Amino acid sequence: EAGVAQSPRYKIIEKRQSVAFWCNPISGHATLYWYQQILGQGPKLLIQFQNNGVVDDSQLPKDRFSAERLKGVDSTLKIQPAKLEDSAVYLCASSLVEGGSTEAFFGQGTRLTVV
Amino acid sequence: DQQVKQNSPSLSVQEGRISILNCDYTNSMFDYFLWYKKYPAEGPTFLISISSIKDKNEDGRFTVFLNKSAKHLSLHIVPSQPGDSAVYFCAASARYSGANNLFFGTGTRLTVIP
Repeated sequence: EAGVAQSPRYKIIEKRQSVAFWCNPISGHATLYWYQQILGQGPKLLIQFQNNGVVDDSQLPKDRFSAERLKGVDSTLKIQPAKLEDSAVYLCASSLVEGGSTEAFFGQGTRLTVV
Repeated sequence: DQQVKQNSPSLSVQEGRISILNCDYTNSMFDYFLWYKKYPAEGPTFLISISSIKDKNEDGRFTVFLNKSAKHLSLHIVPSQPGDSAVYFCAASARYSGANNLFFGTGTRLTVIP
């Protein structure tokens, strides 16, 4: 079974530029998450999708961050404009909702450096 | 507000001995707890979980203990192996309330010395 795929692996941009990350979840997983992990901290949820609907985006800085999940499969996370404090690893995860499973499977992440 | 706390940033253990990683939580709505392991440059990998109706769950060398009254859980690894060296994250959710969102601790870096 293929895991969660993310791209790119690394990205360096200047502040005020925009950037986009892509995620392809495990096939059949209805729930998709985007997490932000700042160095030395645990992952923090940015947004959670159930199929193509948003379940929780309370922690998403909506003035600069946006995310979509078209057709309930792939997802993109965008930052525009980026700030220095956005430097972090952005993790995508997916999970099966059926049966109440909440074991989320994570991708390798995208390491963003804003200079 | 950190709802899941791992107060030990690092732990070193001799190979073959027991590793005990601790985690505390503050939200009494949490009813499902998980441990993830993370190697450098990789995403977290699910290790073991426990629901609030249990106080112990075992999977091979890994055992998770839950003390609901103390809002505390721990992960025991016996015997510890060098390949266990990684960062371990504790996570919690209010699963049975319908919230699948995971809240993570800050992680404990385990080093198993050969």
